[in-house]
Amino acid sequence: GDSVTQMEGPVTLSEEAFLTINCTYTATGYPSLFWYVQYPGEGLQLLLKATKADDKGSNKGFEATYRKETTSFHLEKGSVQVSDSAVYFCALRPNFGNEKLTFGTGTRLTIIP
Amino acid sequence: SAVISQKPSRDICQRGTSLTIQCQVDSQVTMMFWYRQQPGQSLTLIATANQGSEATYESGFVIDKFPISRPNLTFSTLTVSNMSPEDSSIYLCSVTDGRSYNEQFFGPGTRLTVL
Repeated sequence: GDSVTQMEGPVTLSEEAFLTINCTYTATGYPSLFWYVQYPGEGLQLLLKATKADDKGSNKGFEATYRKETTSFHLEKGSVQVSDSAVYFCALRPNFGNEKLTFGTGTRLTIIP
Repeated sequence: SAVISQKPSRDICQRGTSLTIQCQVDSQVTMMFWYRQQPGQSLTLIATANQGSEATYESGFVIDKFPISRPNLTFSTLTVSNMSPEDSSIYLCSVTDGRSYNEQFFGPGTRLTVL
């Protein structure tokens, strides 16, 4: 079945550091890929997405590129801020058939000033 | 994007009791989902609820424990029955919004603690 493997946390970085959170997936066909963010005490918010190979999703300075050859969707940001502290979830959904999301385990990110 | 509200936002319950969680969406949606997020864990899908049909439960979840109603295209409820401390989790409602290229949106969650 479909699965998402996500870089384990927690991750602690200093403000303005470069961020990479790794995500790889296993799926039949070519799914859509997502990054969700969960700020403390809040529900999940869609951060960015990509629906086909080589697509780059971007939002709020975060980027992730859909790499079919490596089945990866790594999240990156060039300069993190304290306000980026949150839990980040990588997820996939098949592009046809059911619409269930499969989530990774989540990575807790803490940015220190 | 769809705006989702949940009630209650949090509750503390005694074991053996039941709690019904409400999910309200500001627009009509076809598919609604209920997820559980146990402390420090990822999200696990409990069931998919489509209007006019029985909910479809994932492996490990049963209707007697988690009955779901879906009376119309903007509302659903999840009941956690005969609760035990292991049911302490955040329960999230989610919808697929066809207007936004089938993106999936999440409610703020209901934080449940069972004593």
